Amino acid sequence: AQRVTQPEKLLSVFKGAPVELKCNYSYSGSPELFWYVQYSRQRLQLLLRHISRESIKGFTADLNKGETSFHLKKPFAQEEDSAMYYCALFVKGAQKLVFGQGTRLTINP
Amino acid sequence: GAGVSQSPSNKVTEKGKDVELRCDPISGHTALYWYRQSLGQGLEFLIYFQGNSAPDKSGLPSDRFSAERTGGSVSTLTIQRTQQEDSAVYLCASSAGVPGPPVTGELFFGEGSRLTVL
Repeated sequence: AQRVTQPEKLLSVFKGAPVELKCNYSYSGSPELFWYVQYSRQRLQLLLRHISRESIKGFTADLNKGETSFHLKKPFAQEEDSAMYYCALFVKGAQKLVFGQGTRLTINP
Repeated sequence: GAGVSQSPSNKVTEKGKDVELRCDPISGHTALYWYRQSLGQGLEFLIYFQGNSAPDKSGLPSDRFSAERTGGSVSTLTIQRTQQEDSAVYLCASSAGVPGPPVTGELFFGEGSRLTVL
């Protein structure tokens, strides 16, 4: 069955430190993966998609099919990065996004 | 409107009552999704509409839950005989295309309807 696992519910790092939010998936086909973010009092929004191989707000995510992972990384965390982050997998047959449980990231000054 | 609109933003109801939650997607978006956001549960998929039809209703938790979409636009999620475990934030999202290849459409979310069942 298709599943997205984010093992850390809470993650706290200091400003300027590197940050990595973990995401592992289970899927029988070729995965399409995304990261969505929800800042305080804002709507959930797309941060980045692996197919675009883009860097958004300094964040990157690399798909590792061998480890079935799609970890989100940023070399130097900023206070404005504090938010709830969700990893998501597109399920082709059902045409839907399956989300992980989310990780609340807190950047300490 | 400029974005996905949901109403009501907050609903407090008594156990056993029926509730209706409304979603107004971005104009022209053919795909519409309902998710439930609970503490510790992440985002739980409920149902997906392509136009007015719902190819996937597998996420609806029980037969107390139903949803419809009319005119390829507004959608209503109805919960009958509400239970305390139904308390959550119900999120609606729309997309110009499915969020996978070849379009890989972005989901645009509403602010959610917070349901509290006493």
